[in-house]
Amino acid sequence: DAGITQSPRHKVTETGTPVTLRCHQTENHRYMYWYRQDPGHGLRLIHYSYGVKDTDKGEVSDGYSVSRSKTEDFLLTLESATSSQTSVYFCAIGEQGARNEQFFGPGTRLTVL
Amino acid sequence: AQSVTQLGSHVSVSEGALVLLRCNYSSSVPPYLFWYVQYPNQGLQLLLKYTSAATLVKGINGFEAEFKKSETSFHLTKPSAHMSDAAEYFCAVSDPGANSKLTFGKGITLSVRP
Repeated sequence: DAGITQSPRHKVTETGTPVTLRCHQTENHRYMYWYRQDPGHGLRLIHYSYGVKDTDKGEVSDGYSVSRSKTEDFLLTLESATSSQTSVYFCAIGEQGARNEQFFGPGTRLTVL
Repeated sequence: AQSVTQLGSHVSVSEGALVLLRCNYSSSVPPYLFWYVQYPNQGLQLLLKYTSAATLVKGINGFEAEFKKSETSFHLTKPSAHMSDAAEYFCAVSDPGANSKLTFGKGITLSVRP
C-alpha cells in the first residue's frame, strides 16, 4: 500500500469551530488531493496541490482552505465548520507521468454538530 | 468538462453469477479511465485502469473492463461473483493533461447473495 496516513481518523466538532485535517505521505509524490465522499455524490474534489506551495481549487472548494509547506504534508482547513461539511474526507496522492493514477488514504470521518 | 455516469446505485447478484457494472463517460479528449473499489470503512483501491493501450483491461480479483470508444463506455465485469466482492465500486475519468485530476461517478454498491 502507498504510504499515506490521515489524522485524525475520526472527529466530532461543533458548528463554527475551526478544524484541520492532515494528510501525510512517504512516497514523495508531486500531486496531493483532498476529496469528500457523501452518499449519492461519489467523491468530489475539494482542493489539490501540484507542488510545495502550489494549490488550486476543485469542484467543491467553498468553505475550505489548504496548505502545503512541504512535499509530504497537505493540510485541509475548515475555517468555521458547518453541518453541511459533515462527511468522510479522503486524501490521495499521484505522480506526474503515472497516467493520473491516484492512491488513497484511509479517510477521516468528520461530524459537525 | 468530463463526467461519469454510473446508472443505478445498487446491484445485487447471486454468488457465482456474472457481475456487470456500467460506466459511461464524456470527455473532449481520449481519456484515462479507472475503476476503484471501496470496502466498508476503508479507502479506495485501484481495480484496473485504461490508459490508451489494450482496450480490454484486466485487473485484480478477476475483474476486467473493456474500453469502447464508440459507446463511450468502460463497463466492469467479472464472470463469477464471490461473497468477498461485496463493496462499492467507482468509475473515474481523467484528461491526460489535466494535472492528474480525476472525476468520479456516484458509485455503485454491489451486494452478493449466497
